[in-house]
Amino acid sequence: AQRVTQPEKLLSVFKGAPVELKCNYSYSGSPELFWYVQYSRQRLQLLLRHISRESIKGFTADLNKGETSFHLKKPFAQEEDSAMYYCASILQTGANNLFFGTGTRLTVIP
Amino acid sequence: KAGVTQTPRYLIKTRGQQVTLSCSPISGHRSVSWYQQTPGQGLQFLFEYFSETQRNKGNFPGRFSGRQFSNSRSEMNVSTLELGDSALYLCASSWGTGRFDYNEQFFGPGTRLTVL
Repeated sequence: AQRVTQPEKLLSVFKGAPVELKCNYSYSGSPELFWYVQYSRQRLQLLLRHISRESIKGFTADLNKGETSFHLKKPFAQEEDSAMYYCASILQTGANNLFFGTGTRLTVIP
Repeated sequence: KAGVTQTPRYLIKTRGQQVTLSCSPISGHRSVSWYQQTPGQGLQFLFEYFSETQRNKGNFPGRFSGRQFSNSRSEMNVSTLELGDSALYLCASSWGTGRFDYNEQFFGPGTRLTVL
């Protein structure tokens, strides 16, 4: 069965420091991977999707098929980045059944 | 444009009762997916409806069911409630076509269900 793993429940970094949120997936085939973010008292929203290869709010994520990883990175963390981050996947294009990791709560310390 | 709306926002029920939750998608969206969020299990996919048909289903017992109407609004029903059904239930809507660009799901605020 497909699985998305986020090994860190909590992550704290200082403002201006680099941040990396880890995500690994474990199934064969070509997954479609996403990062979703939930800011305090806001709805869950899409941050990044691997196929678009774009940078949103300074965050990037590269799909590494060799390491089966899709880590989220930002070179300089900002206080407004503090949020809950979820890595998610769907098994095939056109399906809308997201499988979420357990999430990582990022706290950026001023 | 208006976002995804869910009603009610909060609900308290007792064991054995049944409950119906409602989700109104973004105008034009034809796909509605439902998720259960709990502290222990995280976010888990329940099912997805597209054009009034269930298209995908997660690993939940038959007590969990849903439907979608011709205007794309969706309801989910949980019968014979158990304490473990206490959760935040999220729905998400998307265009739902086969093209990847339309797979972005927009989430509602959720319905917080408490089972006593």
